[in-house]
Amino acid sequence: KQEVTQIPAALSVPEGENLVLNCSFTDSAIYNLQWFRQDPGKGLTSLLLIQSSQREQTSGRLNASLDKSSGRSTLYIAASQPGDSATYLCAVKRYNNNDMRFGAGTRLTVKP
Amino acid sequence: DAGVTQSPTHLIKTRGQQVTLRCSPISGHKSVSWYQQVLGQGPQFIFQYYEKEERGRGNFPDRFSARQFPNYSSELNVNALLLGDSALYLCASSPRGDGTEAFFGQGTRLTVV
Repeated sequence: KQEVTQIPAALSVPEGENLVLNCSFTDSAIYNLQWFRQDPGKGLTSLLLIQSSQREQTSGRLNASLDKSSGRSTLYIAASQPGDSATYLCAVKRYNNNDMRFGAGTRLTVKP
Repeated sequence: DAGVTQSPTHLIKTRGQQVTLRCSPISGHKSVSWYQQVLGQGPQFIFQYYEKEERGRGNFPDRFSARQFPNYSSELNVNALLLGDSALYLCASSPRGDGTEAFFGQGTRLTVV
């Protein structure tokens, strides 16, 4: 059974700091991994999708890496801004399985 | 282009009642998935439909059911509501049959009292 863990559960940083969010998964036979952002009480916004054959994906100030062998992914946020404050979720999709398995998320607060 | 739309946005029901939640996918997307998100946790998979056929089912009781219509919109039904069904219900649409590359709606907040 695929378990997805995100550490830390909460993180508070000053504006301008670079930061890393972690996601680990127990079954390395994944099809892809996706990072989402969720504002309080809202839906999920897709940030980055990494296919199993890829090592990383970049979008603006965001960079996500994937290491299947160790069961880990990281989301790197450069030059953080107060508008980055949200909960960040990672989700793993396995082969021959149509659901995504989510972690509980990391709640990020960027202080001005 | 409109994104994934869900209705209603908020709903309050009494224990034992039944509820129907609705989802319209992004135009051209034929796959719809439903997720339940309890406060403080990540979303949990309930169902996935593609071309009106059920493609996946999560570990939820038979009180939960869903269907997809010819226009690819979908409904999620929950019978005999329990307090523990209170959650944010999320719908995701995808252009792919396996549900990947999903885009999520804003969710329906269900409160059971």
